[in-house]
Order: sequence, then structure tokens, then C-alpha cells
Amino acid sequence: RKEVEQDPGPFNVPEGATVAFNCTYSNSASQSFFWYRQDCRKEPKLLMSVYSSGNEDGRFTAQLNRASQYISLLIRDSKLSDSATYLCVVNMRKLTGGGNKLTFGTGTQLKVEL
Amino acid sequence: GAGVSQSPSNKVTEKGKDVELRCDPISGHTALYWYRQRLGQGLEFLIYFQGNSAPDKSGLPSDRFSAERTGESVSTLTIQRTQQEDSAVYLCASSLGSETDIPNYNSPLHFGNGTRLTVT
Repeated sequence: RKEVEQDPGPFNVPEGATVAFNCTYSNSASQSFFWYRQDCRKEPKLLMSVYSSGNEDGRFTAQLNRASQYISLLIRDSKLSDSATYLCVVNMRKLTGGGNKLTFGTGTQLKVEL
Repeated sequence: GAGVSQSPSNKVTEKGKDVELRCDPISGHTALYWYRQRLGQGLEFLIYFQGNSAPDKSGLPSDRFSAERTGESVSTLTIQRTQQEDSAVYLCASSLGSETDIPNYNSPLHFGNGTRLTVT
């Protein structure tokens, strides 16, 4: 089983729709979680962190479910400019060797259409 | 403010040659990561630095790959005897994260624009 798994999509949605992505992680010791956005042939950019209690940033809502080991991203009133690949990132503190282990999912592609 | 800077932005090299890729992280960021991304693929972890030390080299695909970091700043990724399968975008990222900074919600990764490597 992959450490971080995402449905690759693509998710094709009309402008104004609400769309949700899930990301599952295998290691229960994972400690922090992020959603990144990557546009075609560009570097990933932080979209939002995911807090234990869930958090919202404008049209974007992130949730964490530790019991089921997944995080989610909800996009409301989607815009054409939301078209991108959304990467789930899971951070786990390594018990040996020190440091943090950041693992990226392979991303979910979203296409918002007129 | 200055972000993560990578050079060169593009590199075309012949199979068998060595290449060096450079990353200048954001000033003060102690953690530095190298990733590789092949066309249409996800990010593949290569190596992680905390300060000048590399506690996790597990992602380096072969002994042709090496990396170093000096002055808790600049990092260089070296690929020796390049092969065509090394063609990819090499992304560097830095963060404030330290070994004790858990959870590091406040220290996400900041990526550079990447170096697009093409081995012919």
C-alpha cells in the first residue's frame, strides 16, 4: 500500500460546482498535513495546511479524519482558475535518524469547465 | 522577499556526462529537500537536509546521485554519468522545519521553480 494515495482523476466539473477530493495515508504516526496545488509545468505551491479541527480558507475547506486516516479538500463555487493538480502532503516525524519525512501523493487533477 | 532559487532552469546534457544542480533556499530555512518529477508523474523524494546533515538519503535512486549542503544554505545535487531515465524536473524546497518542530503547520515547504534536465 502506498504511504499516501490519491485518486488521480481527472475530475471534470462545471464552473460553480462543488468538488471534493480525498487523500488516504497509511502511517498512523503522521502528524501534519497539507494540500498543495500544482499548475501544469510549474512548481507546487502551498494551498493550505490541514488542522485537526478542520479549517476553511475562502472557498476551500480542509478536513482531517485521523480514525480513518484520510484528509479531504472541498472546493465550493469552483472557478476556471481552480484547474490544477492538487497534491496531498503528509508529514511524519521519523523516530530514527531524526528529521521529518514528507510524503507527497501523486495528485488529483481538476478541470473546471464553462 | 526572495524565494527558493534554483539554477540552471534548464539543462540539456549528453548521456554519460555529469551535471550539478544548485538550490539556494530561503534564508533561515534549516530544512531542505530535493524531489524529482518526471513528466506527468508525482513528486519523488530524493534527499532531505537538516542544516548541513542529510538524515534521510533514502530516495537517491543510485550511487550516481549525491548531494551536499554547506553553510546551512546552498545545496548541490550531482548526477554522475547521466542516463536518459534521469530526464525530469528536479525540484528543491526549503522550510523552517526542524527535528523538534512538530507539528510544523507553520513551516510548510516552499519550492523553487525547478531545473528541467534533459539527457540526450
